[in-house]
Amino acid sequence: IVLTQSPGTLSLSPGERATLSCRASQSVRSSYLAWYQQRPGQAPRLLVYEASNRATGIPDRFSGSGSGTDFTLTISGLEPEDFAVYYCQLYGRTFGQGTNVEIK
Amino acid sequence: EVQLVESGGGLVQPGRSLRLSCAASGFTIDDYAMHWVRQTPGKGLEWVSGISWNSDSIVYVDSVQGRFTISRDNAKNSVYLQMNSLRAEDTALYYCAKDRVAVPSRKGGGFDIWGQGTMVTVSS
Repeated sequence: IVLTQSPGTLSLSPGERATLSCRASQSVRSSYLAWYQQRPGQAPRLLVYEASNRATGIPDRFSGSGSGTDFTLTISGLEPEDFAVYYCQLYGRTFGQGTNVEIK
Repeated sequence: EVQLVESGGGLVQPGRSLRLSCAASGFTIDDYAMHWVRQTPGKGLEWVSGISWNSDSIVYVDSVQGRFTISRDNAKNSVYLQMNSLRAEDTALYYCAKDRVAVPSRKGGGFDIWGQGTMVTVSS
């Protein structure tokens, strides 16, 4: 199964809403979909597991949704520290290629 | 402090071997699957291998199958990656990561603790 993330780069201003997409090449169970954030020079950080459950300590501006082949990570109002690369992951193995959220 | 610390990376010639170690502190790995994930500088993440809490379930990405071996020692709170027959394309930053679940690829999985990585460079 291939995960395709879009867009590759998202240019937004602080306070704006970010919508990131992760599409699977075939239908998958949402229980196996996770999202990560990676800031420059840092290790990834788990944001969401089971497609919609926030990990411990993750602010509620981050939310995950979706089912079947289409999954979404939404950041309701971008904070300066949210400008980073975001990855989806399936079955604890395959990663998407990432979406870079950059400051416009 | 909860952390994972990787070690063992370095510069190695093609065809040679290297053993990476990952030491956990601030928590015990006993009940969790553990994984290795790599990242080529400036590129994305690639999952490499995972091992269940009791070592009964071990999985690898196709590109390292037969060359890499993951293992764990729960008594030492550590995970290892033996890398043989290294190739230039194995050059990457290797992260150790703890899973939320006991067995790789199970429902509810997600890598909730990561180390800072150890760099492996394969070059002559």
